[in-house]
Amino acid sequence: GAVVSQHPSRVICKSGTSVKIECRSLDFQATTMFWYRQFPKQSLMLMATSNEGSKATYEQGVEKDKFLINHASLTLSTLTVTSAHPEDSSFYICSAKGRETEAFFGQGTRLTVV
Amino acid sequence: GQNIDQPTEMTATEGAIVQINCTYQTSGFNGLFWYQQHAGEAPTFLSYNVLDGLEEKGRFSSFLSRSKGYSYLLLKELQMKDSASYLCAVMDSNYQLIWGAGTKLIIKP
Repeated sequence: GAVVSQHPSRVICKSGTSVKIECRSLDFQATTMFWYRQFPKQSLMLMATSNEGSKATYEQGVEKDKFLINHASLTLSTLTVTSAHPEDSSFYICSAKGRETEAFFGQGTRLTVV
Repeated sequence: GQNIDQPTEMTATEGAIVQINCTYQTSGFNGLFWYQQHAGEAPTFLSYNVLDGLEEKGRFSSFLSRSKGYSYLLLKELQMKDSASYLCAVMDSNYQLIWGAGTKLIIKP
């Protein structure tokens, strides 16, 4: 089946630094990519939706300047957490969808900001 | 507003059958997904329904009634490894996934 690769799976960074998370669709063209955040014991919270070649659409309450999303090609989207703070520590998950496919998920990235 | 409801927690016995219900109210409908999620891991796709009826895939089946805004996931011959959270999600008219809070399924021997 279709595979979505998310990297890194775990990252620890210092407060104030930036972290980039990559999401790649390996065997299909992802016309739409979704970025989610999941707090412990809670459901996934949609942060933003991005279509290839256009700006991401952010959900209410998500800071655009803090969570930079780039969807430059049909197989790659990146999420950059800028000036990270301990409260940004969370599980971030990407999902990719082609025109005729369901949404496939990456493995997730556990971000810890110290 | 958009809303997806599913039970918070269910308990079932190994070898038995369990049905997890999901009701939804969304702006538009482009399909309903069921995902399985083990603690600390990303969700794993189980099923996708866009037309009314039952979709069977091995031990798992999913049913959809668009007129009632209702779906269920049926798990047969339960195994201990089926202990997980089961997430119902609807893709709305903007192709965004709207998530339920998930149902934690506990399997007892």
